[in-house]
Amino acid sequence: ILNVEQSPQSLHVQEGDSTNFTCSFPSSNFYALHWYRWETAKSPEALFVMTLNGDEKKKGRISATLNTKEGYSYLYIKGSQPEDSATYLCAFHLRANNNNDMRFGAGTRLTVKP
Amino acid sequence: GAVVSQHPSRVICKSGTSVKIECRSLDFQATTMFWYRQFPKQSLMLMATSNEGSKATYEQGVEKDKFLINHASLTLSTLTVTSAHPEDSSFYICSASTTGPGETQYFGPGTRLLVL
Repeated sequence: ILNVEQSPQSLHVQEGDSTNFTCSFPSSNFYALHWYRWETAKSPEALFVMTLNGDEKKKGRISATLNTKEGYSYLYIKGSQPEDSATYLCAFHLRANNNNDMRFGAGTRLTVKP
Repeated sequence: GAVVSQHPSRVICKSGTSVKIECRSLDFQATTMFWYRQFPKQSLMLMATSNEGSKATYEQGVEKDKFLINHASLTLSTLTVTSAHPEDSSFYICSASTTGPGETQYFGPGTRLLVL
């Protein structure tokens, strides 16, 4: 069983606050780690894909880091805005077969209050 | 780019009927499509992976005779929930990718199924 854990489950912050949350995944058979942003009633939107230990990716005010040896990734949002309110999903891509399948965490639901 | 549509977005049906959900990649060719199911407050759970022109690969515990998947073209995959029962009520979402492991999956907006 592949457990991908995300914490916290939900988070409420004020506009302007910076925040971060965690994705934990198995450290063996790692291939890639994906982050998605999922707004209500919309499709999940791909944010980052990271493959190498120590990878850091940045997109505007959002950044992510990856530690494959200990099996975690952090997502950071600097200066949160109400439009950042969404559920942030991480997905672990297992190197075990040729299928392009991923195992998802349950997500962190972020609410940014104006 | 990389837009995936899913239809219908919401469906209510009677127990015993079959429901078909369509997933389309609108601006790219998807060699692989995925079907997920999500129960409230839980993770997206992969149900099956399908490659164009071949039989779908189902995850353990997913009944292939109940959840029929057809991936007839590079832009269309369908999931048919046969003889639906109330316990099949869930959120079903598809995704599509081009080729190769590690490729980003592009998601549809999902279908909310309620079986009465």
